[in-house]
Amino acid sequence: AQTVTQSQPEMSVQEAETVTLSCTYDTSESDYYLFWYKQPPSRQMILVIRQEAYKQQNATENRFSVNFQKAAKSFSLKISDSQLGDAAMYFCAYSSGGSQGNLIFGKGTKLSVKP
Amino acid sequence: AAGVIQSPRHLIKEKRETATLKCYPIPRHDTVYWYQQGPGQDPQFLISFYEKMQSDKGSIPDRFSAQQFSDYHSELNMSSLELGDSALYFCASSATSGGKGEQFFGPGTRLTVL
Repeated sequence: AQTVTQSQPEMSVQEAETVTLSCTYDTSESDYYLFWYKQPPSRQMILVIRQEAYKQQNATENRFSVNFQKAAKSFSLKISDSQLGDAAMYFCAYSSGGSQGNLIFGKGTKLSVKP
Repeated sequence: AAGVIQSPRHLIKEKRETATLKCYPIPRHDTVYWYQQGPGQDPQFLISFYEKMQSDKGSIPDRFSAQQFSDYHSELNMSSLELGDSALYFCASSATSGGKGEQFFGPGTRLTVL
């Protein structure tokens, strides 16, 4: 069975600084997707960034980028120029490569942004 | 852009009552997923449907059932409610063709069982 582990229950960053959230996963599959979802206090689940396992290039979305290390089964999220609105719970998630694969989430990292 | 719609947004029920949650996926999305998120927990997968057929099943109690209708909306039926069923229930949808595995979540239904 696939598992997702987020070892940092809480993180804090100063506004305008950079922070990296860690995620590791375990799978025997070769085809899969990895995601970071943001859940602000409203509890809406917002897709931040996605990575396809077969792509070596790390995904980037504006201030958000990932460091995908397939051999190490590591998928960290870097947030640059942190903003107050980035404060939220961040979930790392895995899904199998089949198009209808359900998401398996990590326990989440609560990010605080200090002004 | 259209998003996933869930209704109701909030629901309060007594123990042993039944509840029905509804989900309207993004137009042209053919797959619907249901997740349950307890307080302080990560979302847990319950069940999914592809083209109106059940495609996968997770940790869904036998007291719960779900279906997807011809217009692609889905309903999660919950019977004999227990206190532990109090949670945020998410519906998500995705497009199999060219969807790249992305699931888009609705705002959730907050169920409180008293």
